[in-house]
Amino acid sequence: DTGVSQDPRHKITKRGQNVTFRCDPISEHNRLYWYRQTLGQGPEFLTYFQNEAQLEKSRLLSDRFSAERPKGSFSTLEIQRTEQGDSAMYLCASSRSREGLETQYFGPGTRLLVL
Amino acid sequence: GQNIDQPTEMTATEGAIVQINCTYQTSGFNGLFWYQQHAGEAPTFLSYNVLDGLEEKGRFSSFLSRSKGYSYLLLKELQMKDSASYLCAVRGADDKIIFGKGTRLHILP
Repeated sequence: DTGVSQDPRHKITKRGQNVTFRCDPISEHNRLYWYRQTLGQGPEFLTYFQNEAQLEKSRLLSDRFSAERPKGSFSTLEIQRTEQGDSAMYLCASSRSREGLETQYFGPGTRLLVL
Repeated sequence: GQNIDQPTEMTATEGAIVQINCTYQTSGFNGLFWYQQHAGEAPTFLSYNVLDGLEEKGRFSSFLSRSKGYSYLLLKELQMKDSASYLCAVRGADDKIIFGKGTRLHILP
C-alpha cells in the first residue's frame, strides 16, 4: 500500500454511460497524475495537476474526458459517453515536487470495462 | 517527438544476472525512472537517475548516459519473484513523465 487510494477498483459500464473515478493522493503531495494502461503497454500519460492547477493534458484525451482537483487534494476523472475503446486500467500517481528526486507513488488503479 | 524504447520481452534463469536496456528521445530531460509492475498491479518505484553513472540499490542497479540517451537496469541474483514488467520512464523539461511500453521479464527455474 503506497498511500494513494483509488475508487472504485473495478467498474463495468455500458457504452454511452458516464463514469467517474476518484483518486486520493498522499496528503503532502502537491502533484497528481492520471495515466491509462492497456494490456501489454506502459502507462500512457493523460493529465497532471500541481495543487489545483491542471498543468497539462494529453492530446490523447478527447473532449469526453475531464479531470478536476478542486482543492488540491483528491482528484476525479470523468469519462462521458463511454466507448469500448475506453476499457483500460486508469492509474493515479502522486508526488511531491522538489529539487532532485521526485518519486511517483501509484495507486492500485481502477479497471474499467465498457460493454 | 518523444520516444522511449525497451525490449518487449526477456528471459533469464534464476540466480543469473539480466540487463534491461532503455533508449530515449525526449524534449528535455529531468530524470529517468525504473518501475517494476507485476501483472494486475500498479507500478512500484525501483530507481531514479538524473546524473550520469551507476546507482546501486541491493540486487538492482541502474545506469544512465545522458549524452547517449541510454539507461539500463541490472538485476542480479535473479529470483522467481522478479518475474514482472519493468518500465523505463523519462521526465522531460515540462516535468511530464512519459513511460516506455515495458519489458516483460520471465525467470526460469
